[in-house]
Amino acid sequence: DTGVSQDPRHKITKRGQNVTFRCDPISEHNRLYWYRQTLGQGPEFLTYFQNEAQLEKSRLLSDRFSAERPKGSFSTLEIQRTEQGDSAMYLCASSLGDRNTEAFFGQGTRLTVV
Amino acid sequence: AQSVTQPDIHITVSEGASLELRCNYSYGATPYLFWYVQSPGQGLQLLLKYFSGDTLVQGIKGFEAEFKRSQSSFNLRKPSVHWSDAAEYFCAVGATSSGGYNKLIFGAGTRLAVHP
Repeated sequence: DTGVSQDPRHKITKRGQNVTFRCDPISEHNRLYWYRQTLGQGPEFLTYFQNEAQLEKSRLLSDRFSAERPKGSFSTLEIQRTEQGDSAMYLCASSLGDRNTEAFFGQGTRLTVV
Repeated sequence: AQSVTQPDIHITVSEGASLELRCNYSYGATPYLFWYVQSPGQGLQLLLKYFSGDTLVQGIKGFEAEFKRSQSSFNLRKPSVHWSDAAEYFCAVGATSSGGYNKLIFGAGTRLAVHP
């Protein structure tokens, strides 16, 4: 297993377009997390899944954002009608979900909205 | 609400010098604490974690951190810095729920530069 994989690594889109990112977690991990990181800041939590159930969503996740994990494996994060303020690094992480395990991060998708 | 403060935005040290990166957290109970490192354009790599037990924890790449409940701190240390340690370092606390933590709350990070 090569770790958490994110695709694409970079995305440039025009304002108003929709974009979708994919995350493939470590295979046996049942928890999957999405974070957003803007320049000069630490990652901010967006949402997380336990298997296919989305258990928590941050207030940062406006109604233009939607995340899915349909079969409890990979996840997608879609942003509709992108705005310049959506430009950021979107990080995915996964964990076993047990109380004493850490989250492993992917390399992120860098989104630039022009 | 849980929060993490990293007071130093940017630190520069000479190669071979010792290093201490500060982290203070706000949380009522025993926290889950983490240090992650991020190289430019990359994801985060876990350096070490504290869940319970011995308050001095050892991590990868020669790093260690000490949990001090009385000071609400979890400072990261390394006795001798290498040029390859130049990166951004993030302290994080796990926001707890029943049975563990369900998300991480990160500090703003400390950018480390290493002079030859």
